[in-house]
Amino acid sequence: AQSVTQPDIHITVSEGASLELRCNYSYGATPYLFWYVQSPGQGLQLLLKYFSGDTLVQGIKGFEAEFKRSQSSFNLRKPSVHWSDAAEYFCAVNDPGGNLIFGKGTKLSVKP
Amino acid sequence: NAGVMQNPRHLVRRRGQEARLRCSPMKGHSHVYWYRQLPEEGLKFMVYLQKENIIDESGMPKERFSAEFPKEGPSILRIQQVVRGDSAAYFCASSSGTGDHQFFGPGTRLTVL
Repeated sequence: AQSVTQPDIHITVSEGASLELRCNYSYGATPYLFWYVQSPGQGLQLLLKYFSGDTLVQGIKGFEAEFKRSQSSFNLRKPSVHWSDAAEYFCAVNDPGGNLIFGKGTKLSVKP
Repeated sequence: NAGVMQNPRHLVRRRGQEARLRCSPMKGHSHVYWYRQLPEEGLKFMVYLQKENIIDESGMPKERFSAEFPKEGPSILRIQQVVRGDSAAYFCASSSGTGDHQFFGPGTRLTVL
């Protein structure tokens, strides 16, 4: 069965520091992978997605993610974090029916 | 072009009452998905509907929960005889086709007293 694991429940980084959020997936075929961001009390906003092609995907707000098939990973990165990036981040994979399977999320706090 | 709309944004019910959550998909989208987010959890798929059809309800609890997406009007997620464990945020998403990117609504936060 498909699954998504986000090993880090909570991460704190200093403003201006680099960020990497980990995501591992379990999927039989080539997955469709997504990263979403959720601010408190809000819905989910798509940051980026991978369907095929170039394994390094650029998203909005300066985020990028790299698909590594050999490691079953799709880690999210940002070179310099801003205070407004504090939110919860969800990695997701499409199941064969098109429904999204989400990880449990990583909460990001940003220190001034 | 309005995004996915959900109402109400917040809903309070007492145990045993019914909760009705509405979702209007983005214009031109005929696929609707409902997800539930329990506290400290990620979103869990509940049901996938197209106009007048339930395509996949594998994530729906077998009792008390139902969903519809009529030919006209919004999609409705109905929870009968709510219990405290139903307290959660319920998100609706829509897409233009199976496997296409899903756009999410702001969610309905249900609190059962």
